Amino acid sequence: KAGVTQTPRYLIKTRGQQVTLSCSPISGHRSVSWYQQTPGQGLQFLFEYFSETQRNKGNFPGRFSGRQFSNSRSEMNVSTLELGDSALYLCASSFGTRGEQFFGPGTRLTVL
Amino acid sequence: AQSVTQPDIHITVSEGASLELRCNYSYGATPYLFWYVQSPGQGLQLLLKYFSGDTLVQGIKGFEAEFKRSQSSFNLRKPSVHWSDAAEYFCAVGIGGGADGLTFGKGTHLIIQP
Repeated sequence: KAGVTQTPRYLIKTRGQQVTLSCSPISGHRSVSWYQQTPGQGLQFLFEYFSETQRNKGNFPGRFSGRQFSNSRSEMNVSTLELGDSALYLCASSFGTRGEQFFGPGTRLTVL
Repeated sequence: AQSVTQPDIHITVSEGASLELRCNYSYGATPYLFWYVQSPGQGLQLLLKYFSGDTLVQGIKGFEAEFKRSQSSFNLRKPSVHWSDAAEYFCAVGIGGGADGLTFGKGTHLIIQP
């Protein structure tokens, strides 16, 4: 069974731009969560989607948003990029809302 | 809100020696506990999890962890480390098995000496 895939793997943007990251969960998994990983703050929960509905959201500004499609694929969008948004963005999927999470390889975003 | 503390930022162990990585959590009820490993440039791989039941859980790659409610701890152990175990290790707590978002510790960087 294929794992969680994330595209693109690397991305370079400039301040003020917006970016969209994509995540394809493991087949059959309906829950997708997003995390931001930085050297200073570590791993922080962004939001979680289940059946196209956002169920939970972490403590991030409204510039960070996401959505989930009917095939469980998910996207996250960051608008008006700031230097501090440079991070590894990890997507994780699970079968239900109370299952262990399987992580993708991440998208490395660099904001210049 | 729950929190996770991994008191050791770096740990150096000789190849073949035993390993224990510490993890303490703060949560009002029994949490769901996880250990993940991350190699450079990679995502997170689940080593093991504790949901309920036997407090000693076995994971992949020869790792085990013991849940101690009285100490709010979930330490990771391995009897004999291999050079390939060098990586970053994260302890995490979830209150819904993960649905409400995992709270991670800051991680422990494991260095293996030949």
